[in-house]
Amino acid sequence: GAGVSQSPSNKVTEKGKDVELRCDPISGHTALYWYRQSLGQGLEFLIYFQGNSAPDKSGLPSDRFSAERTGGSVSTLTIQRTQQEDSAVYLCASSTRLAGVDTQYFGPGTRLTVL
Amino acid sequence: AQSVAQPEDQVNVAEGNPLTVKCTYSVSGNPYLFWYVQYPNRGLQFLLKYITGDNLVKGSYGFEAEFNKSQTSFHLKKPSALVSDSALYFCAVRTGNNRKLIWGLGTSLAVNP
Repeated sequence: GAGVSQSPSNKVTEKGKDVELRCDPISGHTALYWYRQSLGQGLEFLIYFQGNSAPDKSGLPSDRFSAERTGGSVSTLTIQRTQQEDSAVYLCASSTRLAGVDTQYFGPGTRLTVL
Repeated sequence: AQSVAQPEDQVNVAEGNPLTVKCTYSVSGNPYLFWYVQYPNRGLQFLLKYITGDNLVKGSYGFEAEFNKSQTSFHLKKPSALVSDSALYFCAVRTGNNRKLIWGLGTSLAVNP
């Protein structure tokens, strides 16, 4: 079946502009996660959606970052007034329970470059 | 604080030799442990996980991992490495009903022909 998809695959923007990154999770997955991966670094948790519950926003680095998930499916991560330090690969994952424990499945990521 | 450590930034092995990528963890409660692989310019792919039961877990691409509770480790292993195994490997852990994963910083595996 179809995996997690993300768009665009690459985004180059100028400092100060806003960007929107999209994630289409696997159909039927109730949980959706956003991560950031900077060059040579591990994964930095950003935000997590679970069903209709309030999202866990504890990883968002500043109020310039926000995310929403419409209809329990597609999610958009928005970065306002982008800064050069926002340059990274943004990864989305969705999850479902396998043998009683959620397993996260990742999309290919969006590479964001802020000039 | 809960944490995951991958003590080696890079592991080099010759093709055909066994490989081990190390992971240790520190959590309160029973851990659920995961290994993911990231090939160049690709997203992360799930390899295997430990929930409970047998300490030796088998996963994709011939990989396996051994859960050792006394040493709080979950090392990834493969009996015979392939050049195509060269990638970045991440260990992650979560506990109980907390669905957020705690991630290691990754280990770069290079398999030399």
